[in-house]
Amino acid sequence: DSGVTQTPKHLITATGQRVTLRCSPRSGDLSVYWYQQSLDQGLQFLIQYYNGEERAKGNILERFSAQQFPDLHSELNLSSLELGDSALYFCASSVEGRGRAFFGQGTRLTVV
Amino acid sequence: AQSVTQPDIHITVSEGASLELRCNYSYGATPYLFWYVQSPGQGLQLLLKYFSGDTLVQGIKGFEAEFKRSQSSFNLRKPSVHWSDAAEYFCAVGAEGQNFVFGPGTRLSVLP
Repeated sequence: DSGVTQTPKHLITATGQRVTLRCSPRSGDLSVYWYQQSLDQGLQFLIQYYNGEERAKGNILERFSAQQFPDLHSELNLSSLELGDSALYFCASSVEGRGRAFFGQGTRLTVV
Repeated sequence: AQSVTQPDIHITVSEGASLELRCNYSYGATPYLFWYVQSPGQGLQLLLKYFSGDTLVQGIKGFEAEFKRSQSSFNLRKPSVHWSDAAEYFCAVGAEGQNFVFGPGTRLSVLP
């Protein structure tokens, strides 16, 4: 158990819909990262938050957004879902936004 | 540009045989180097990491990796593979104040 909790574990939804993925970082970790893993593109960095503020942005689509709340949990919002958004979404956390990061189990999103 | 390459998409070895998974990187700063394993249906688990010091790093599950600065490589090795090692292996690179760059992964299959 990495200490990073992601919910839900599985999510099946229709195209055009909007979903929210939730991540609770390890206790004491200030930084949260979101990654998307799909079969054809491997692991892609989406976005990073540090202590409530956006720190870095990767290959995140405009249809996607995220935020980190005062209690440090984070949510990734995916809207206008397309079939190609089906993937495993990982959250990771680290103490200071660098170095070692601990990953959650991921949320498997299936868009039908 | 920051990049991590894992040249081997899929490797198959017999149980008990030795293993080497290759990782090469291009990174502007002095990197931190990581190997993660993802078993089927599970999240990522850190196998080992290199920050500084001894270039031969020991990790969990009998894995080790050697950092070779001149070759920009951080290859993962195991002297004797077990059937339970079958998984996807990711090499990752990070640096202070910067984010991780993950390789595309190498799938390891183990024959009985």
